[in-house]
Amino acid sequence: SQQGEEDPQALSIQEGENATMNCSYKTSINNLQWYRQNSGRGLVHLILIRSNEREKHSGRLRVTLDTSKKSSSLLITASRAADTASYFCATALYSGGGADGLTFGKGTHLIIQP
Amino acid sequence: DAGVIQSPRHEVTEMGQEVTLRCKPISGHNSLFWYRQTMMRGLELLIYFNNNVPIDDSGMPEDRFSAKMPNASFSTLKIQPSEPRDSAVYFCASSLDRRMNTEAFFGQGTRLTVV
Repeated sequence: SQQGEEDPQALSIQEGENATMNCSYKTSINNLQWYRQNSGRGLVHLILIRSNEREKHSGRLRVTLDTSKKSSSLLITASRAADTASYFCATALYSGGGADGLTFGKGTHLIIQP
Repeated sequence: DAGVIQSPRHEVTEMGQEVTLRCKPISGHNSLFWYRQTMMRGLELLIYFNNNVPIDDSGMPEDRFSAKMPNASFSTLKIQPSEPRDSAVYFCASSLDRRMNTEAFFGQGTRLTVV
């Protein structure tokens, strides 16, 4: 079953604009991760935020986590054509002695118009 | 390290045939995951191993699916007999840590088409 749900399902913006994607999840988590997938390729890890963190930055990426609302957001600033891809949030569930793998949402398909 | 290596990249087979997908995880990684991706269902976790031992196979759709990890550097996912609804992209991923405190590294996937 899907733990994370991304919103929106698709997003099209102009190059240079900022892109914001949201993720909601259902149960307690150990951490939340964001991945990118280019068409026909495997997933590439972008950033990991732990359950006790609220915000994290990596280059043009900014991730927030609100555990009270069970939600996260990914902000890509100053978007580029090369950012066109699908973006997934993934949650590492906490269950007793440890997390049990990553569960992915269905992703947000981001298109950057040149 | 070359990353997670999957083979074949593409597989076309007839319904009823046996299909074997292969994965070589990153050296030193303790956990290995098999995922299936379709447009309808997204990314589904099928099974994962920790230190070569299957931990959770609740995501395996049917008894037609089986997975093995005979050693730390090799895993297989087998479908026997295959059906058209098994058509999907199958990904293998590995991680240092079962608890997922670090990132997972994905292979390029095997695109399976069952006709």
